[in-house]
Formats: sequence, structure tokens, C-alpha cells
Amino acid sequence: EPEVTQTPSHQVTQMGQEVILRCVPISNHLYFYWYRQILGQKVEFLVSFYNNEISEKSEIFDDQFSVERPDGSNFTLKIRSTKLEDSAMYFCASNQLPGGYTFGSGTRLTVV
Amino acid sequence: GDSVTQMEGPVTLSEEAFLTINCTYTATGYPSLFWYVQYPGEGLQLLLKATKADDKGSNKGFEATYRKETTSFHLEKGSVQVSDSAVYFCALSDLRGSGNTGKLIFGQGTTLQVKP
Repeated sequence: EPEVTQTPSHQVTQMGQEVILRCVPISNHLYFYWYRQILGQKVEFLVSFYNNEISEKSEIFDDQFSVERPDGSNFTLKIRSTKLEDSAMYFCASNQLPGGYTFGSGTRLTVV
Repeated sequence: GDSVTQMEGPVTLSEEAFLTINCTYTATGYPSLFWYVQYPGEGLQLLLKATKADDKGSNKGFEATYRKETTSFHLEKGSVQVSDSAVYFCALSDLRGSGNTGKLIFGQGTTLQVKP
């Protein structure tokens, strides 16, 4: 069964550093998403991406965040200057049509 | 805006007990409804879904019926096992809203603990 692959599984970074979280969506999917889950809390939508542009973003997705699909395979989330409160599990998801998803196993980001 | 509310956890049951996890939603359109499960240390797995009123989603002994009149999508299982211990998330996606981005809106999650 096709999978969404996320790397790394765990990343530790210092406050103020830039991080890039990587995802390889399922190859024939067209819609891509990032979500985050702060420890013990609910899963929150960050951004959706379709046709090489952001189609929707949440209030969380401020100027410190950006997404890119640089080579038609990878889908990346960049945080320019990390804060302690960015520590969370970040999930990538992809979909062929809106509304049905395959999630990756997540990247646990720890900002120290 | 659209939202999902789940019953507070944790829910602690003995093996073979009957499970209900309540989920209600608020949506202006006609959302699809989902249950996701997250086992310890793992990602989100789709458990079941329903795309229109009165649809019943089912998988692995779990069931949920889309009730438009009560705006609910309660998860049930007749006989839980220790291996069902996990966090369960109810979610909706309104394909007619938000420019059809299909984003998921999650409830806060309910932790289920099943004891032998």
C-alpha cells in the first residue's frame, strides 16, 4: 500500500534556528497538507497546497512558515526561526481528491 | 466556523466491554465525517468514514453512523480488546467550504484504555 514518508522522524533544534521538515507524498496525489499536534493536544491544520501554490492556511501558519514542492516529489515545511512553542509533532498528508487522506508517521520537532 | 467536539477522556474499559465515544460537529455545509486512530508513538490512521447523512462507516468492528439531525458521529464497538487502546480523533472535512481544500478539522481526541 502506498505510503506518505516523512523525514526525519525526530529533530532537535535550537531556538532561532531554521528547520526543514520533509515529506514524500503518494506519487499520484494532487493535494498536500501539513498538520501539527502539540503534545497531548488536538491535531491542528496548518496549510494546504495544490497546483504548486498554497490553497489555504491557518492562523498558525504565519510568516515564519513556508512550504515548497521543489522537485515534484518532495513537499517541505520550513520554519525560519524556531520558537519553543513550535515543539510539536508535524504530520504531512496527501490526497488525490479533497477529503480523503493518507498521513505520514510524523516528525517530532523539539526546540530547545 | 466548523468545529468538532468529542467526549472527554480517558475512557477506561475492561476487555470485551462495549465502547461508545461521542462526537458532535458544527458545520455550515455538508461535511464528510471521519474517525482516526493514533496508537502510542505512531501517526494517524483512518479508522472509518461517512460522506453523507445516514451513512454508516465500519472497520475492524468499529462503527459510526452519520446523524444529520443530531449532528453526531458517535464511535461504537461491541467488544473492545486491549489492542484497541489508543487515542481516537473525530474529524470533519467540508468539501464545499474553504475553496475545496479538503482540510480536516479535528476534535480534541479521546484516549481509550482497555484493561485485561
